[in-house]
Amino acid sequence: DAGITQSPRYKITETGRQVTLMCHQTWSHSYMFWYRQDLGHGLRLIYYSAAADITDKGEVPDGYVVSRSKTENFPLTLESATRSQTSVYFCASRDGGGKTEAFFGQGTRLTVV
Amino acid sequence: QQQVKQSPQSLIVQKGGISIINCAYENTAFDYFPWYQQFPGKGPALLIAIRPDVSEKKEGRFTISFNKSAKQFSLHIMDSQPGDSATYFCAASRDGGYQKVTFGTGTKLQVIP
Repeated sequence: DAGITQSPRYKITETGRQVTLMCHQTWSHSYMFWYRQDLGHGLRLIYYSAAADITDKGEVPDGYVVSRSKTENFPLTLESATRSQTSVYFCASRDGGGKTEAFFGQGTRLTVV
Repeated sequence: QQQVKQSPQSLIVQKGGISIINCAYENTAFDYFPWYQQFPGKGPALLIAIRPDVSEKKEGRFTISFNKSAKQFSLHIMDSQPGDSATYFCAASRDGGYQKVTFGTGTKLQVIP
């Protein structure tokens, strides 16, 4: 199916554990993004990627690591999860060439206990 | 630092009424102002967007009003329907690039029959 998919949809992990959230898009969009959504903060950009092997920090990158070895995948890793990273995480993608609309995945609800 | 301020945080409107959500921005370099709609359990989806060279844009029951001098823009939903119940986010960006987008904190709209 075409689109952007995130996995898992729900995840509970313990403080200090490493956890990876997956994002896959089938459009071959150039840009991919990771946001976190928290009540009272809206959507905040964690990391983004303009193309394979090109990534850059967003507004709240601390504690997160990303990679993009293939255009279609953009995993987000929490190296040592903390309770403050409990959030809903959204992946998004956008085509290049001046097109502005981004398409979001359905989100991953992560709880760190 | 909140560069896009959104109000109200929540809104209850009677079916058939007008829903109004306001946003104000600080950075005069912003040149693209999208509104996103998010239903529970789903990712945000682009609803309507405007650029600062026009003062109003209408798509069906949804209208964006833009006041460049006041650095404010608003979303009006005419003839609000229960199906419009969702969270709405305004956003602003430079150069149409999503790596620079800033989201408002969101407005939860409930349309009651």
